[in-house]
Amino acid sequence: SAVISQKPSRDICQRGTSLTIQCQVDSQVTMMFWYRQQPGQSLTLIATANQGSEATYESGFVIDKFPISRPNLTFSTLTVSNMSPEDSSIYLCSVDSTGELFFGEGSRLTVL
Amino acid sequence: AQSVAQPEDQVNVAEGNPLTVKCTYSVSGNPYLFWYVQYPNRGLQFLLKYITGDNLVKGSYGFEAEFNKSQTSFHLKKPSALVSDSALYFCAVRLYNFNKFYFGSGTKLNVKP
Repeated sequence: SAVISQKPSRDICQRGTSLTIQCQVDSQVTMMFWYRQQPGQSLTLIATANQGSEATYESGFVIDKFPISRPNLTFSTLTVSNMSPEDSSIYLCSVDSTGELFFGEGSRLTVL
Repeated sequence: AQSVAQPEDQVNVAEGNPLTVKCTYSVSGNPYLFWYVQYPNRGLQFLLKYITGDNLVKGSYGFEAEFNKSQTSFHLKKPSALVSDSALYFCAVRLYNFNKFYFGSGTKLNVKP
């Protein structure tokens, strides 16, 4: 298994600002994933973050809006840029370990 | 296209009764199947998975799931529900040679005393 820490756990932000979410894993992992979960909804994959290369984004998500860093095998960040109320959501970091996904506790973002 | 369906938005069951949360899938290949649980204001927790072998898999907290290839289903079950089982449950599928997981829409389980 893997233990994943996310920061911040929650935040309230103003429209037009940006917020960076951090994800720290207690072991080295090749692949890290960023998901979005809107209230009461399922998970939508934003991007896959590999160390040493650019993140791979899913349809509907672009690097300018959700830049991702992956400086090493235990850490990643997701930035939500130029936020609007539609970005209010839970953002989840996850890693693939032993064939299943492990998730952080999530970062609950509210944009006013 | 790969997809996972959870046909019930909500399942209500009385404590002590058996529970079933349904999941069907559509994939072009051999699937790996998973169940996750999400408690309020928490991330997702892994419950169990089917990779190969026995169609009935057992997982955490007394949950089990049955893989049915002919019906392309992977229903989650528990013989006796607890109030503390009340949560949001997600079914997920992954192809064996791909790293992408596909999640169902989630089913809210309400267990009443």
